[in-house]
Amino acid sequence: DARVTQTPRHKVTEMGQEVTMRCQPILGHNTVFWYRQTMMQGLELLAYFRNRAPLDDSGMPKDRFSAEMPDATLATLKIQPSEPRDSAVYFCASGLSRGANVLTFGAGSRLTVL
Amino acid sequence: QKEVEQNSGPLSVPEGAIASLNCTYSDRVSQSFFWYRQYSGKSPELIMSIYSNGDKEDGRFTAQLNKASQYVSLLIRDSQPSDSATYLCAVNPQGGSEKLVFGKGTKLTVNP
Repeated sequence: DARVTQTPRHKVTEMGQEVTMRCQPILGHNTVFWYRQTMMQGLELLAYFRNRAPLDDSGMPKDRFSAEMPDATLATLKIQPSEPRDSAVYFCASGLSRGANVLTFGAGSRLTVL
Repeated sequence: QKEVEQNSGPLSVPEGAIASLNCTYSDRVSQSFFWYRQYSGKSPELIMSIYSNGDKEDGRFTAQLNKASQYVSLLIRDSQPSDSATYLCAVNPQGGSEKLVFGKGTKLTVNP
């Protein structure tokens, strides 16, 4: 059963520390998305890639967040420095850009910044 | 105005009843519409997609789309306690872009 793999599943860190979250999309999928979910805001799109090229990162705080796709099997989301307001669940999702754009989500990375 | 609006609920229905979930969206050029189900502590999973006006049925689920009214709904017939979850409406707001914009979700509880 194909799945999107995210690491770490849980991360507790202190304010000011660097946090890196990783995502392995489903093999063959060419779009990758990073979403952040909080009770207040729901699911917010942070960034997305098509064929490893960044297409939209307008939802991402540029001063502290960065997203990259060093190769087709790995997407990363980095926060430096982290702040308590970054505490949320971060989801990675992947899909195929042709035809119906059905996204499959990973299990998420729950981040707590103290 | 948020792009995708849902009633946050909670919506509570008895087992066996029809649950009706609603969603409105602001971008008239939106082409694709999706319903995701999210159990507590889990990730969203796709349950329905709809692209043209009218109804689309899949088992106990029916998605309804009215582009003129910018309205999409999900009906769950013969609701089961296992349907208790948060239902997220998602819209692809622009042609040529694959990104999905999500509503905040409606929490559904099906009481035995």
